[in-house]
Amino acid sequence: GENVEQHPSTLSVQEGDSAVIKCTYSDSASNYFPWYKQELGKRPQLIIDIRSNVGEKKDQRIAVTLNKTAKHFSLHITETQPEDSAVYFCAASTGAAGNKLTFGGGTRVLVKP
Amino acid sequence: DSGVTQTPKHLITATGQRVTLRCSPRSGDLSVYWYQQSLDQGLQFLIQYYNGEERAKGNILERFSAQQFPDLHSELNLSSLELGDSALYFCASGRTGAREKLFFGSGTQLSVL
Repeated sequence: GENVEQHPSTLSVQEGDSAVIKCTYSDSASNYFPWYKQELGKRPQLIIDIRSNVGEKKDQRIAVTLNKTAKHFSLHITETQPEDSAVYFCAASTGAAGNKLTFGGGTRVLVKP
Repeated sequence: DSGVTQTPKHLITATGQRVTLRCSPRSGDLSVYWYQQSLDQGLQFLIQYYNGEERAKGNILERFSAQQFPDLHSELNLSSLELGDSALYFCASGRTGAREKLFFGSGTQLSVL
């Protein structure tokens, strides 16, 4: 089955700096890659997603890039703010006969003011 | 508020017992997913239902079972509970059941003593 690895497990950045989280996946049939943000004690919330027919997608300060050949995708957060502090999860899904979304282990991001 | 309702929010029980977790998806969503999140761990996919039928299965223990009813709400049954089953159980819903954004409920915190 699909295996998603996420790095780093923790990331500390200064407010205003950029943060980058990287994920690799094992199943070449995966074609949908969402990112979720989970604040302490809260539910995971989708922040951005990308499908395999595009290489990059941006939404304000957040961007995701996808390299299907290398089977890895990354989340980029620019101009980080304290409210960006949370755990971020990447995920991958083949979308075939179900949506067995497999999550990475998570990255705990701390933005220091 | 994601529109996904999970009850109860907290559940405390003893080893060997059986509990039922309930989930109501967003209006119009046909698919329900169950995830387990242990302390400081990622999101482990358990099972997916689409319009009443099982669509995908993850690492769900044989002691666990689920179903989706005609009104589309879902229940996750956990039996012969062990200490290691203590975790946060999330339900998520989606519209199509494949390659889609998931909307998570607030979760049920299960503590097995």
